[in-house]
Amino acid sequence: GESVGLHLPTLSVQEGDSAVIKCTYSDSASNYFPWYKQELGKGPQLIIDIRSNVGEKKDQRIAVTLNKTAKHFSLHITETQPEDSAVYFCAAIDSGNTPLVFGKGTRLSVIA
Amino acid sequence: EPEVTQTPSHQVTQMGQEVILRCVPISNHLYFYWYRQILGQKVEFLVSFYNNEISEKSEIFDDQFSVERPDGSNFTLKIRSTKLEDSAMYFCASSPDRAHEQFFGPGTRLTVL
Repeated sequence: GESVGLHLPTLSVQEGDSAVIKCTYSDSASNYFPWYKQELGKGPQLIIDIRSNVGEKKDQRIAVTLNKTAKHFSLHITETQPEDSAVYFCAAIDSGNTPLVFGKGTRLSVIA
Repeated sequence: EPEVTQTPSHQVTQMGQEVILRCVPISNHLYFYWYRQILGQKVEFLVSFYNNEISEKSEIFDDQFSVERPDGSNFTLKIRSTKLEDSAMYFCASSPDRAHEQFFGPGTRLTVL
C-alpha cells in the first residue's frame, strides 16, 4: 500500500520569505496529491492539489510541484505571512482506492 | 460556501460507554469518510461509505465501530464500547466523486476517561 513521508517535522521562516515542504510517496500508481492546512483546533483544509498528469500547479502564493520519477511532491508558499503558520499535511491516493494516505505533517511557523 | 459540519465539538465519555459522533456532509456529495487523529500524530483513515454501504475500512475500524447514514443527510460514527485509546479527534469528510477533493469537517474531540 501507499506510504507517504514528510521530510521536516518543523519549519520556521521569516515573514516574507518562501517556504518549501517536500513529501515523498511510495506507490507509483498514486495519481492525486493534495496538501492540507490544519490550524489549531480545526479540521484539515484543502489548499491545493495536483494530479499526476501535471508537473506544477499554482494558486496565488501557493504552488505544488510533482516529480513522478523521484516520487516526491512539494508545497511552495511565497511571501509568507503570519497567518500561514499551521501544520501542513501532504497526502496521496491512487484512483483505484478512496482513502487518503496522509504524511505526518510539518508545523510551519512564520515569524513576524 | 457549503461545508461539512460535525457535532458535538467535544465529547467526554467513560470507558466502556457508547458514543455517536455526527456529521452532515456537503449536500451533493456522494462519498463519505471518517478519519481520526490522535494528538500530535497524522490523520488516519477509518472508513469510507458510498451508496449506503461501507466501501473500504482500515484495520483500525474493528467490530466496535459502525457507521450509518440514517436519514439522507446525517452520517454517524458509533463506537460501542469506548477504550482509553479511542481518545482522538475524529474528522468526517465528504467528496463529490471517487477519491478526489475530500472536504473535512472541523472534527469532534473525543476524550475517554
